Amino acid sequence: QSALTQPASVSGSPGQSITISCTGSSNDIGSYHVVSWYQQDPGKAPRLIIYEGTKRPSGVSNRFSGSKSGNTASLTISGLQVEDESDYYCCSYAGDNIWIFGGGTKLTVL
Amino acid sequence: QVHLVQSGAEVKKPGASVTVACKTSGYKFNFYALHWVRQAPGHNLEWMGWINGGSGDPHYSQKFQDRLTISRDTSATTVFLELSSLRADDSAFYYCARANYEMAGGFDSWGQGTLVSVSS
Repeated sequence: QSALTQPASVSGSPGQSITISCTGSSNDIGSYHVVSWYQQDPGKAPRLIIYEGTKRPSGVSNRFSGSKSGNTASLTISGLQVEDESDYYCCSYAGDNIWIFGGGTKLTVL
Repeated sequence: QVHLVQSGAEVKKPGASVTVACKTSGYKFNFYALHWVRQAPGHNLEWMGWINGGSGDPHYSQKFQDRLTISRDTSATTVFLELSSLRADDSAFYYCARANYEMAGGFDSWGQGTLVSVSS
């Protein structure tokens, strides 16, 4: 099972919105509503920010939102803030008790 | 409050085995699955496998099927990862993560990570 495809890097200015895509296949994202997104700061464990494709855990800013269309999931961060600069990973269930991560995207806030 | 506390860093020689422990607390151990994810320095997250906290049934990524064992000790509410036939490219941080069924399996709590270094 290959990793889900994410852009290696994205950037934006404070206040802007950015979107990170996560492309899989009909075997994973396209078949299951089980996509999650994680934020990971350097030297830290990942943090869940989106689950079930579109839902936010308690305590996560509403500037983070998720969506899905076909085999592609997306994470949008609106009103960019300097503290949003981090690495972001998508993850999907792929059937047969298997999960798969994306390659990760480094967000730079200019 | 949910806590996942992992065992300390390990240094191993190629061909050896390593066991990493993940001590859980603050929730009903049998009600949740526990996953293992690794990350080589500067690289992406890689899913390895998971164990059903209730039944103890493990499931593995095909990549690690032949040399990975995930087990649990319910009395100690601890999950273990054992990786054998270690190679240099197994050097990575290893994380345990709880899957929350109420969050469609999202990994809502993570251990602090355990660095495994493989070098001759």
